[in-house]
Amino acid sequence: ETGVTQSPTHLIKTRGQQVTLRCSSQSGHNTVSWYQQALGQGPQFIFQYYREEENGRGNFPPRFSGLQFPNYSSELNVNALELDDSALYLCASSQGAAGYTFGSGTRLTVV
Amino acid sequence: RKEVEQDPGPFNVPEGATVAFNCTYSNSASQSFFWYRQDCRKEPKLLMSVYSSGNEDGRFTAQLNRASQYISLLIRDSKLSDSATYLCVVRPNDYKLSFGAGTTVTVRA
Repeated sequence: ETGVTQSPTHLIKTRGQQVTLRCSSQSGHNTVSWYQQALGQGPQFIFQYYREEENGRGNFPPRFSGLQFPNYSSELNVNALELDDSALYLCASSQGAAGYTFGSGTRLTVV
Repeated sequence: RKEVEQDPGPFNVPEGATVAFNCTYSNSASQSFFWYRQDCRKEPKLLMSVYSSGNEDGRFTAQLNRASQYISLLIRDSKLSDSATYLCVVRPNDYKLSFGAGTTVTVRA
């Protein structure tokens, strides 16, 4: 059974740039969620994708957007990067609302 | 008010000790509750689900008090490998998990 894989593992971007983070879901999982974890904080829900549609969103601005593909993999896109976007971005896959498995995350630094 | 609030610690305990900590949640309609463990710079991993009747998993005991909207975790006979951040997690609806900021536990030899 393949777990959740995220790429890249680390990334440094300049303020104002755009970034795309990728996530491959665990085999058999059809739902992908994205979380942002700032240093010293718990993960914060960004949004969830099910059947290629966004079906829930947290308190994040529209410059945070995503996609889910037919194979259930997903992308998180962030436009106009700000310094406060520096964080660990976690992807979690699940079969519907059950059994979340987290990837090891992408550590984004905005300078 | 934060959705999930935890005592950040740190709790610094000797091997073999018992350590307990808790969290509170704000959404009374929440139906599912969990404790996750997160090691430094790693992803969160499910430690255990928390049920209304309370439940044990080896040295770990979790309790849920719905009336007070309070969840606890107790670790008996602490091991060095228990050193981690413990995240209290609540599912307020079908599409998201709400995490506390975590409680740091350090077990010393």
